[in-house]
Amino acid sequence: GNSVTQMEGPVTLSEEAFLTINCTYTATGYPSLFWYVQYPGEGLQLLLKATKADDKGSNKGFEATYRKETTSFHLEKGSVQVSDSAVYFCALSVSGGNQFYFGTGTSLTVIP
Amino acid sequence: NAGVTQTPKFQVLKTGQSMTLQCAQDMNHEYMSWYRQDPGMGLRLIHYSVGAGITDQGEVPNGYNVSRSTTEDFPLRLLSAAPSQTSVYFCASSYSGVDPADTQYFGPGTRLTVL
Repeated sequence: GNSVTQMEGPVTLSEEAFLTINCTYTATGYPSLFWYVQYPGEGLQLLLKATKADDKGSNKGFEATYRKETTSFHLEKGSVQVSDSAVYFCALSVSGGNQFYFGTGTSLTVIP
Repeated sequence: NAGVTQTPKFQVLKTGQSMTLQCAQDMNHEYMSWYRQDPGMGLRLIHYSVGAGITDQGEVPNGYNVSRSTTEDFPLRLLSAAPSQTSVYFCASSYSGVDPADTQYFGPGTRLTVL
């Protein structure tokens, strides 16, 4: 089946620290991979995506590389800011499936 | 362009009451969906629609009904609310639902409490 497993939280980092949130997946077929971010009290919004192996998605200093050999899509940022405090969701979608599959979310708090 | 809108933002119901959560999008998207978000469980798909007049069940459809009479609107009905339906509900839409690379756009959510 299709599923996403992501790193348990919560994660607390100091400002300017390096961030990694791990995400691995299983999929029937060839998935597209996404990271969504949810700020407090808001809906989810797309952070970045990658649609084929070895693609790197990037946005707002965040990056993730689609690794087919390790079935992973880890989220990284070199220097986090207080404004990055949010919940991050890894997700996948497969062709013809009409469904998104989300991980459980990882809560990030960045302290000054 | 308002994107995806949801009403109400908050709702408290008593067990056995019925209500409809409204969702509308102005992006002419064919695909619309409803999720519920519960602590430690991420988002789970309730129902989805690939176009007006077409709906299908997701992972957790029991206790919920949907219909899609127009491209813009996709209401979610709770016929007899139960405490297990206490959750945050998100509506989402995407261009087609066929291309796995389509981005889903989410509404701001409805926080529902069933007493």
